[in-house]
Amino acid sequence: AQKITQTQPGMFVQEKEAVTLDCTYDTSDQSYGLFWYKQPSSGEMIFLIYQGSYDEQNATEGRYSLNFQKARKSANLVISASQLGDSAMYFCAMREFNAGNNRKLIWGLGTSLAVNP
Amino acid sequence: NAGVTQTPKFQVLKTGQSMTLQCAQDMNHNSMYWYRQDPGMGLRLIYYSASEGTTDKGEVPNGYNVSRLNKREFSLRLESAAPSQTSVYFCASRAPTNEKLFFGSGTQLSVL
Repeated sequence: AQKITQTQPGMFVQEKEAVTLDCTYDTSDQSYGLFWYKQPSSGEMIFLIYQGSYDEQNATEGRYSLNFQKARKSANLVISASQLGDSAMYFCAMREFNAGNNRKLIWGLGTSLAVNP
Repeated sequence: NAGVTQTPKFQVLKTGQSMTLQCAQDMNHNSMYWYRQDPGMGLRLIYYSASEGTTDKGEVPNGYNVSRLNKREFSLRLESAAPSQTSVYFCASRAPTNEKLFFGSGTQLSVL
């Protein structure tokens, strides 16, 4: 079963608008972390934001925020005031801290975001 | 700071050839990783090294070997390349007190 699900293969947003990229996860661990990475067309993977399962506040990093809804097992990325440079693939990932799997990251398949001028 | 440096950026091999992908980080990180990225498959862990002198298999280790030469360097070797190993390979590292992964710029490998 897929542990990280990103249901939106592609998304479009107008420049300066906000956009939400969906991510749902599946784990029986109580202790885990959720990540979002950005991959522009140049190919590098860029860390955006991290949320621990015990963090009470939603994580924020500049224009990025993580809408963490633990009961629904969702960790959506919100990008405010979209910029043309936000056009990229976005990956959601999870690390289970108690799974005995050496704490490897489990990745979603990504969402392609296009920002229109 | 250079961060995580991978070489080469591009490589074309013939089936059966061998090669080593090099990775070095200058952030004094303990943990280092090798991933491959394929369309529709996401990123998959090949091998990782929790510290100098230790390596462990990830999800897709078959056909690969690794060496953690020292704290800085973690190389990935394809002994006999196969077309199924055509992929983009990423090296990454992580500090022990931080969950953030730092990635190299990737190696695009084609096996003909």
